[in-house]
Amino acid sequence: SQQGEEDPQALSIQEGENATMNCSYKTSINNLQWYRQNSGRGLVHLILIRSNEREKHSGRLRVTLDTSKKSSSLLITASRAADTASYFCATPGLGQFYFGTGTSLTVIP
Amino acid sequence: DAGVIQSPRHEVTEMGQEVTLRCKPISGHDYLFWYRQTMMRGLELLIYFNNNVPIDDSGMPEDRFSAKMPNASFSTLKIQPSEPRDSAVYFCASSLAKGLAGGITGELFFGEGSRLTVL
Repeated sequence: SQQGEEDPQALSIQEGENATMNCSYKTSINNLQWYRQNSGRGLVHLILIRSNEREKHSGRLRVTLDTSKKSSSLLITASRAADTASYFCATPGLGQFYFGTGTSLTVIP
Repeated sequence: DAGVIQSPRHEVTEMGQEVTLRCKPISGHDYLFWYRQTMMRGLELLIYFNNNVPIDDSGMPEDRFSAKMPNASFSTLKIQPSEPRDSAVYFCASSLAKGLAGGITGELFFGEGSRLTVL
C-alpha cells in the first residue's frame, strides 16, 4: 500500500509561474523526499527534508514539512517547460520506502 | 558511476511466456528495490533486498513472480508464466543505508525501467 498522497493529481501552468504541490503521509517519518519523473524515464531524486527541518531550498525548489499535520509541499518557482514531469513524495523508514500517487505538472511555454 | 542499469528496456511477449528482468545496482549500495508502475496503481513496491537478502516480498503479487539477488551487483525479477495484466514498467532502484541500523534513509537511485507488454 502507498503511504503518500499528492495533491493535486494534475497541474497545468504557464511558463514563469510558480507551481505548488502537496503531499500527505500517514506514519512517523525520519525524512521525506521528493522525486521527479520525466515521461518514459526513471525517477530522479530532487530534495530531502529531515523530520526536524521545517523548510529547505535547492535552486528553484522550496520544500516545507509539517510533521504535526503529516504534510509537505514542494514549490517550484519561475517554472520552465523543462519542469514538465510527474512529481512524487516518498517516505523512507525501517523496512519500507513508500511513494505517493504523484502530481503531473505541465508547464506551457 | 553508470547508475542503476536495467535490461531489457522494452520487452514484448506472449501470455504464458517466461520473462526475466535484470538489474545492476550502483556499486556499494546495500539496498535494492523492485517497483512496478502502472497508470491504475501507480508505483508499487514489489520486493526489496538488503545485503543481497530478501527482506520484504509482501508486495509480490503472486507466486508467478520471483526475485533473486545472487550477488551484490546483480538482481533478477522473473515472471512465469506471464499474463496480460503484468504489463507495466518495472523499475529497479538501489540505495545506501544511512542512519539507524536497518533503516532506509538515503535517497533512491532508479534505473530507466523495463517496459513489459504481455499480449
